[in-house]
Amino acid sequence: EPEVTQTPSHQVTQMGQEVILRCVPISNHLYFYWYRQILGQKVEFLVSFYNNEISEKSEIFDDQFSVERPDGSNFTLKIRSTKLEDSAMYFCASSDRGSQETQYFGPGTRLLVL
Amino acid sequence: QQPVQSPQAVILREGEDAVINCSSSKALYSVHWYRQKHGEAPVFLMILLKGGEQKGHEKISASFNEKKQQSSLYLTASQLSYSGTYFCGTESTGNQFYFGTGTSLTVIP
Repeated sequence: EPEVTQTPSHQVTQMGQEVILRCVPISNHLYFYWYRQILGQKVEFLVSFYNNEISEKSEIFDDQFSVERPDGSNFTLKIRSTKLEDSAMYFCASSDRGSQETQYFGPGTRLLVL
Repeated sequence: QQPVQSPQAVILREGEDAVINCSSSKALYSVHWYRQKHGEAPVFLMILLKGGEQKGHEKISASFNEKKQQSSLYLTASQLSYSGTYFCGTESTGNQFYFGTGTSLTVIP
């Protein structure tokens, strides 16, 4: 069964460093999402992406964040200058027809900012 | 904008039933339900669409009251594997999606 994959599974970085989290969505899916989950808290929407542009973004998704689909398969989340409070699990998800269809989640990348 | 879930936590014995509620302050186009086990990604359970269409899990049912902007997830004859945190997710406009506050469900033998 096709699945969403994410790399790396864990990343530790120094405050102020840039990080890029990578996701490979399911191949025929057109809608892509990033979420984050701070330890012990709810899952929070960051951004949705369709047709090579951002569809929606939340208040969390400020100028420090950017997303890109650099080729036909990868979907990346970049944090330009990490802060301590960026430490969280970051989930990528994809769906074939938008948010009225199932979103399939990747296993997540745990980011720790020191 | 974040939907509110109730209860926050529930403990069941195997075989018992549970209802988890999700309510939003905004008009909803769809409601999703996910279960997340500790340290894992959320896993899809069900989608309920405006107009009554449902897509999802055979052993779990849910309702969606569009007028009241509420959804309820019904877990019947609970099994140990049902343990986890249940999140509703709501879409009101565009492709922005909000997860609810979460309900921790623990099923004990």
